[in-house]
Parts: sequence; C-alpha cells; structure tokens
Amino acid sequence: QVQLVQSGAEVKKPGASVKVSCKASGYTFTRYFIHWVRQAPGQRLEWMGWINAGNGDTRSSPTFQGRVTITRDTSATTAYMYLSSLRSEDTAVYYCSRGPTLTTLDSWGPGTLVTVSS
Amino acid sequence: DIQMTQSPSSLSASVGDRVTITCRASQDISNYLAWFQQKPGKAPKSLIYAASSLQSGVPSKFSGSGSGTDFTLTISSLQPEDFATYYCQQYNTYPFTFGPGTKVDIK
Repeated sequence: QVQLVQSGAEVKKPGASVKVSCKASGYTFTRYFIHWVRQAPGQRLEWMGWINAGNGDTRSSPTFQGRVTITRDTSATTAYMYLSSLRSEDTAVYYCSRGPTLTTLDSWGPGTLVTVSS
Repeated sequence: DIQMTQSPSSLSASVGDRVTITCRASQDISNYLAWFQQKPGKAPKSLIYAASSLQSGVPSKFSGSGSGTDFTLTISSLQPEDFATYYCQQYNTYPFTFGPGTKVDIK
C-alpha cells in the first residue's frame, strides 16, 4: 500500500532554514509527483509546490518568494522540502502528498510540525 | 490568485442526514476542483477530483458536481465517521488555492 513517512517535528529560530523529508513506499516513486501543502494553526491548507519525482522538474508557489526548494532522491524514494528565512508565520504542519499528475493529490503523509520561535 | 469560498462555514447535522456544501471560485476554473476531508489532528484525505470523480476507495455516499465557478459536495447519508472539516481546492491556475473549510459536526 502507498505510504508516505515524514520526518519529525522541528523547532527553528527566525531566519533559520528547515528541511522536511517524505519517504515514499508501496508504489513506483518516479511515476508520480510529490506535492507539499502546509497548514498554519487554525488556518486553511496552503499549496507550496510540487516535484516530478521522475525528471526532477519543480514548481513552487510565488507566495513563498523563492524561499521554497523541493528536491528528491530517487535511490532513497524520498522527497525533500527546504524552507529558508523562516519567520513566525511559517509555524505550521507541513504535509507531503502524492500526485498522480502535476495537479491532483491522492495519498497524504501524516504531517510534520515546524515551529518557528525565538 | 483565485479566491475560493465555501458555505456554510459550519453546519450541525444528524446521522442519516443529507448534507450539501458549496464552494465558489473567484473566476472560471472549469472542472479543476478537488475536495478533501480532514479530521482534527490528522492529515487531509482526498475525496474527489475533477469536480465529480471519486478517488479510489472513497464510498459512493460522497458526490461532487459543478463547473465554472460553482461546485457542491454532497454526502448522501451522514455517518459518524463523516464528521470532519471539508475543503475544496482549485487546480486550474497556479498557485493552487484552497477554500476556508466547512466544519460538519453532530447536532
């Protein structure tokens, strides 16, 4: 069965960077996209970007003004999301989600809480 | 960015009720709309894509309709496991955007 396992919770100071990982199993990693979506406390979901796990192409939301980088390691069947120049508003649960296409999402990881606090 | 709105923001319903949630886009998104269910402290679950296509494994009590700017999610007979928050999402235009959610709780 499809499984997405994410890295553990992080606490970061403002201005720092964070890397969240998403290890995929149960399917052919390179045939799908991985999307990243976050949710601040009590807020709606917010789409961050995707990576084509096959060829490495990426697309990120302009909302993040270049602070988001998405990569993947095909040998490890793992996708990574880097968010730089962290501020308190980046405190959120970060989810990875498998995408059969660059637009649709099906399976989701359990989420990783990132807390930004001085 | 395309703005997504949902109504109502919350509703109370009983087991067995038919429930309808509305989602509206600020501009035409054709049928590029998805619905998600989220329970407290849990990851979202994908329900519907392309406005009306059920994701694999999603029971047929869930149905979606609409195109253009107006969409609906219907739960035909509400069960205890359906009490959750439901979000719509447009994927017609970058950045993809979500609605604010509709919380369905027990009357």
